[in-house]
Amino acid sequence: DAGVIQSPRHEVTEMGQEVTLRCKPISGHDYLFWYRQTMMRGLELLIYFNNNVPIDDSGMPEDRFSAKMPNASFSTLKIQPSEPRDSAVYFCASSLRGQESVYTFGSGTRLTVV
Amino acid sequence: AQTVTQSQPEMSVQEAETVTLSCTYDTSESDYYLFWYKQPPSRQMILVIRQEAYKQQNATENRFSVNFQKAAKSFSLKISDSQLGDAAMYFCAYRSAGFGNEKLTFGTGTRLTIIP
Repeated sequence: DAGVIQSPRHEVTEMGQEVTLRCKPISGHDYLFWYRQTMMRGLELLIYFNNNVPIDDSGMPEDRFSAKMPNASFSTLKIQPSEPRDSAVYFCASSLRGQESVYTFGSGTRLTVV
Repeated sequence: AQTVTQSQPEMSVQEAETVTLSCTYDTSESDYYLFWYKQPPSRQMILVIRQEAYKQQNATENRFSVNFQKAAKSFSLKISDSQLGDAAMYFCAYRSAGFGNEKLTFGTGTRLTIIP
């Protein structure tokens, strides 16, 4: 398997623009997670899905952030409008319940909002 | 809510020596999983080792081993025969074993430097 695939690897955008981050989980995995990593706050869980259904979105910072999982092989995290404080590395991870509780992470998207 | 604490922001070790990274956690649950993840400069999160709370035996993976003290809520990582490729950020993480709570809670990380 190719692992969890995220795109783009880097994104630079201007404040106020819409940004969409993409994730393809490992085939067969039933959980998908979006994390954000910053120097100040470390790794924070934003939202996670089980079988394409959002289970816990309590980590989503505000209404500017939204996440979708239209099918088992694709998820998006959208920020609209983007702000400089959204600059961070965004990770997607997937797991299979019962598979020894192991998460597999993607390589992350580094977002810079100028 | 569970919390994970890594009290050592930075550590360094001489190549080929042994180093121990500390992690403590707070939980009221009896069944859970603990993990150590490595994040090299490439920023990829790599699973190093995992431990189930119901297992008393400490997990080992080649040069990596843990000292799991359930009563003390301590989960340290020992790296033996340190190599230059071990240089990275190391994150301790907790996950409940209960159904319906799948989130992985991370500590703030320890940056490990290997001195040649």
